[in-house]
Amino acid sequence: EIVLTQSPGTLSLSPGERATLSCRASQSVSSMSLAWYQQKAGQAPRLLIYAASSRATGIPDRFSGSGSGTDFTLTISRLEPEDFAVYYCQQYGSPLFTFGPGTKVDIK
Amino acid sequence: QVQLQESGPGLVKPSETMSLTCTVSGYSISSGYYWGWIRQPPGKGLEWIGSIYYRGGTDYNPSLKSRVSISLDMSKNQFSLKQSSVTAADTAVYYCARVRASLYYYMDAWGKGTTVTVSS
Repeated sequence: EIVLTQSPGTLSLSPGERATLSCRASQSVSSMSLAWYQQKAGQAPRLLIYAASSRATGIPDRFSGSGSGTDFTLTISRLEPEDFAVYYCQQYGSPLFTFGPGTKVDIK
Repeated sequence: QVQLQESGPGLVKPSETMSLTCTVSGYSISSGYYWGWIRQPPGKGLEWIGSIYYRGGTDYNPSLKSRVSISLDMSKNQFSLKQSSVTAADTAVYYCARVRASLYYYMDAWGKGTTVTVSS
């Protein structure tokens, strides 16, 4: 089973700042199977990025994804107040999906 | 626009079987995609439980495979989760989701979640 590690655990930033979130896999994963989700308190996760770098429908372009192999990054170019949330990466390795433990982005 | 809504008992006794249903609107589950269940224990991260293909094939998390089954009811545009021999460790918010699992792999539509507590 491929294990995903996310860092940092918590990222404290101010609105307008740039956020860089890391997701590292225990072995190489296909970029096609790497996705990112945002979860706000009390809400379901929302798909942000799929295939490592493709934005999902309706996702603002301040969100971008990059990476390959074992190292992937989610970048939020300029934090808006609504972006403070927990972010999860996810990968698929037949036959199962696994998620990282999450990075919390909170207001500094 | 596809929408999903979970339903089921909020309280289940230890050792019993839990049953949850996901009702899908805005998309016919017989048209395509996988349909899956994900859970989130209180204060913790996400765990994929399993998925069912619209044609009926299933995949389950190996850690839960012996206790779970997912099925489709196309006549009601619903899919369901049954989980047996529940314990307190199964207490979680349970989400249903539409799953893409060919070429690309992600969950692009989620229900709001339903809280299941296992307690006597």
